[in-house]
Amino acid sequence: GAGVSQTPSNKVTEKGKYVELRCDPISGHTALYWYRQSLGQGPEFLIYFQGTGAADDSGLPNDRFFAVRPEGSVSTLKIQRTERGDSAVYLCASRLGAGGSPLHFGNGTRLTVT
Amino acid sequence: AQSVSQHNHHVILSEAASLELGCNYSYGGTVNLFWYVQYPGQHLQLLLKYFSGDPLVKGIKGFEAEFIKSKFSFNLRKPSVQWSDTAEYFCAVEGNTDKLIFGTGTRLQVFP
Repeated sequence: GAGVSQTPSNKVTEKGKYVELRCDPISGHTALYWYRQSLGQGPEFLIYFQGTGAADDSGLPNDRFFAVRPEGSVSTLKIQRTERGDSAVYLCASRLGAGGSPLHFGNGTRLTVT
Repeated sequence: AQSVSQHNHHVILSEAASLELGCNYSYGGTVNLFWYVQYPGQHLQLLLKYFSGDPLVKGIKGFEAEFIKSKFSFNLRKPSVQWSDTAEYFCAVEGNTDKLIFGTGTRLQVFP
């Protein structure tokens, strides 16, 4: 497809479980971003990759959150020992190059922790 | 650190009314500015952007925004809204950190 693809679209998990959220960016986009959006809020920056490496992970809330992008394309956001407060929509975006070009967003993964 | 304020949380208009949504940012250096729109059930889409040059930028669907550096503002405008403009609107700023920082959004409802 032409856009950013995120799977699953919805994920319900129990408190304490481990989850993985996947993002497939637009082909050729070197930069990939993860954001989190809670109800009534704007997207909150988590981490971004330039190629395979995490260029800025300052937005990850704690060490339960981790993300990888091993081949510079698909990325996985991993959350360990989920808590109810982790419930949100997790957005992935990609762009060509670095600063200045617009981000292209996926539809997001709605995570619900019960 | 960068930050963005959107003072209008919820705006209700009738069709054909004019629209102005406020956006103020906090950052001392050179910025790139964006407005994104999220229609119900859809992903965030770029409405318009400012990088440099003419401070009045035009976007899709008749929207425009004006960058006023002295006021740290980037307000979004549309002279005549339509029912199809019902959506949530987000302002975002990018400084020298290669990441966009978003405001909390403004929910616009347009009634026929």
